Amino acid sequence: EPEVTQTPSHQVTQMGQEVILRCVPISNHLYFYWYRQILGQKVEFLVSFYNNEISEKSEIFDDQFSVERPDGSNFTLKIRSTKLEDSAMYFCASSGGIGGLTDTQYFGPGTRLTVL
Amino acid sequence: GDSVTQMEGPVTLSEEAFLTINCTYTATGYPSLFWYVQYPGEGLQLLLKATKADDKGSNKGFEATYRKETTSFHLEKGSVQVSDSAVYFCALSRTNAGKSTFGDGTTLTVKP
Repeated sequence: EPEVTQTPSHQVTQMGQEVILRCVPISNHLYFYWYRQILGQKVEFLVSFYNNEISEKSEIFDDQFSVERPDGSNFTLKIRSTKLEDSAMYFCASSGGIGGLTDTQYFGPGTRLTVL
Repeated sequence: GDSVTQMEGPVTLSEEAFLTINCTYTATGYPSLFWYVQYPGEGLQLLLKATKADDKGSNKGFEATYRKETTSFHLEKGSVQVSDSAVYFCALSRTNAGKSTFGDGTTLTVKP
């Protein structure tokens, strides 16, 4: 069964450094998302992406964040200058195959980001 | 805006007990409703879903019915197992590929 994959599974970085989290969505999906989950808290929406542009973003997704689909398969989240409070699990999700429903989002296993 | 409220946890049950985790939502229109499960150290797995009123989603012995009149989507299982121990998240999203909105999650522990 197709699945969303994410790399790395765990990223440790120093405060102020840039990090790029990578995701490979399900191959025929058209909508892509990033969420984060701070330890012990709820899953929070960051951004959605469709047709090579951001379709919606939350107040969390400020100028420090950016997303990109650099090729036909990868979807990346970049944090330019990490802060301690960026430490969280980041989930990528995708939905919406051609002719299919767009509401069911399938999640990757997550990248745990630790900012020291 | 949209919101999802789950019953507060944690929930601790003995094996073979009946499980109910309450979920209510606030949203305009007709969102789709989901339950996701997160096992320790793992990501979010779709457990079941329902896309319209009175639909029942089911999977692995879990069930939930979309109740428009009470804006609820309670998760039930007749007989839980130790392997069901996990965090359960109720969520909603929209058919136009909008974001998913999650509840706080309910931690379930099943003891032998």
